[in-house]
Amino acid sequence: GENVEQHPSTLSVQEGDSAVIKCTYSDSASNYFPWYKQELGKRPQLIIDIRSNVGEKKDQRIAVTLNKTAKHFSLHITETQPEDSAVYFCAAKVGGSQGNLIFGKGTKLSVKP
Amino acid sequence: DGGITQSPKYLFRKEGQNVTLSCEQNLNHDAMYWYRQDPGQGLRLIYYSQIVNDFQKGDIAEGYSVSREKKESFPLTVTSAQKNPTAFYLCASSMGDLNSPLHFGNGTRLTVT
Repeated sequence: GENVEQHPSTLSVQEGDSAVIKCTYSDSASNYFPWYKQELGKRPQLIIDIRSNVGEKKDQRIAVTLNKTAKHFSLHITETQPEDSAVYFCAAKVGGSQGNLIFGKGTKLSVKP
Repeated sequence: DGGITQSPKYLFRKEGQNVTLSCEQNLNHDAMYWYRQDPGQGLRLIYYSQIVNDFQKGDIAEGYSVSREKKESFPLTVTSAQKNPTAFYLCASSMGDLNSPLHFGNGTRLTVT
């Protein structure tokens, strides 16, 4: 079946450094790619998403890039802060416009002060 | 906040008992979803419903059942047939149209002994 691979599974950075999380997907028809942040014991929350008609989207310190040819997309966090520490999940919509999201297995990001 | 309420937060059951997890939303969303979250496994789709009185199996539906009698409610029953029911269960909703984001509830942690 369709799947989403996410790397790395854990990532530790110093405060102020950048963090990059990468995902690859298998369904070439996927056209929607959201990223969720889940703090310990809390619900996942959407932080940014990108649609297949654009290659990059930025929101303050967070950016997402999409390479449809290679079927991969990445989350970039600049100037990391301790409150960025959380588990981040990428997802891709499979099965067309009425399809569902397939999630990656998550990346645990730790930002050390 | 967020308009999706899951209850209870923690649930304990004996093996062999069925248990029902509640999910209510007041966002007027058409689509609702149930995900299961296990450590290192990301979010896996159990069941989803795009409209009242209709629902579809997700990737791991075996041992679970749902109903969608009202737009606001999408309860999940974990039956005794589910081999490994202990997990964190997340309910979500979305507008259901093209590429609308998921809004998650706070989750229910089910422990079966």
